Amino acid sequence: QSVLTQPPSASGTPGQRVTISCSGSSSNIGSNYVYWYQQLPGTAPKLLIHRNNQRPSGVPDRFSGSKSGTSASLAISGLRSEDEADYYCAAWDDSLSVSFGTGTKVTVL
Amino acid sequence: QVQLQESGPGLVKPSQTLSLTCTVSGGSISSGSYYWTWIRQPAGKGLEWIGRIYPSGSTDYNPSLKSRVTISVDTSKNQFSLKLSSVTAADTAVYYCARSLHYGGRSGALDIWGQGTMVTVSS
Repeated sequence: QSVLTQPPSASGTPGQRVTISCSGSSSNIGSNYVYWYQQLPGTAPKLLIHRNNQRPSGVPDRFSGSKSGTSASLAISGLRSEDEADYYCAAWDDSLSVSFGTGTKVTVL
Repeated sequence: QVQLQESGPGLVKPSQTLSLTCTVSGGSISSGSYYWTWIRQPAGKGLEWIGRIYPSGSTDYNPSLKSRVTISVDTSKNQFSLKLSSVTAADTAVYYCARSLHYGGRSGALDIWGQGTMVTVSS
């Protein structure tokens, strides 16, 4: 069961900015880096953000991450149709495991 | 570039042991910069981290699965494996293997994933 809480859905029109929240606790987000994954339909997840706000090579700068205390957020600016996907946050937990978020489905209207 | 490929039975009977192997190509599994990880995802649901192994054989497991999970590594074959015992229908899922960046150990950075393999638990 997920210990990181995300809203089940988010939406926007093309060009808009969408933000997804991820709420955790002192044992995970509060004391460790946050990661974000994008999962397009029928495919494996892809690392989108690592170490709270770092983009791997090839990830557009429209995607940005931030963290404050025991919460984190992912922002998608200039929303595009190809951004329609499921997004998951993740963080190391002091229980010596990785916790994933509940997942957010982003719809481009 | 490094690629990961899962393999194993797509159907497992209840109470039996699920066994999967992940073959790493394009790079050495013995690199000290990475952990090798298993994740699963039931249909229409979220991701669940199962566990990881370091090339030395050191492992970490999800506390909720720890009593049933064993992850092992075969550096000579550039493979790592998952065994999940006493399976039930609740273990039906797509199982992914992935490479995790080390980041001092406390890492959730899964930078390369296999395509995933569907495992159904049914009699």
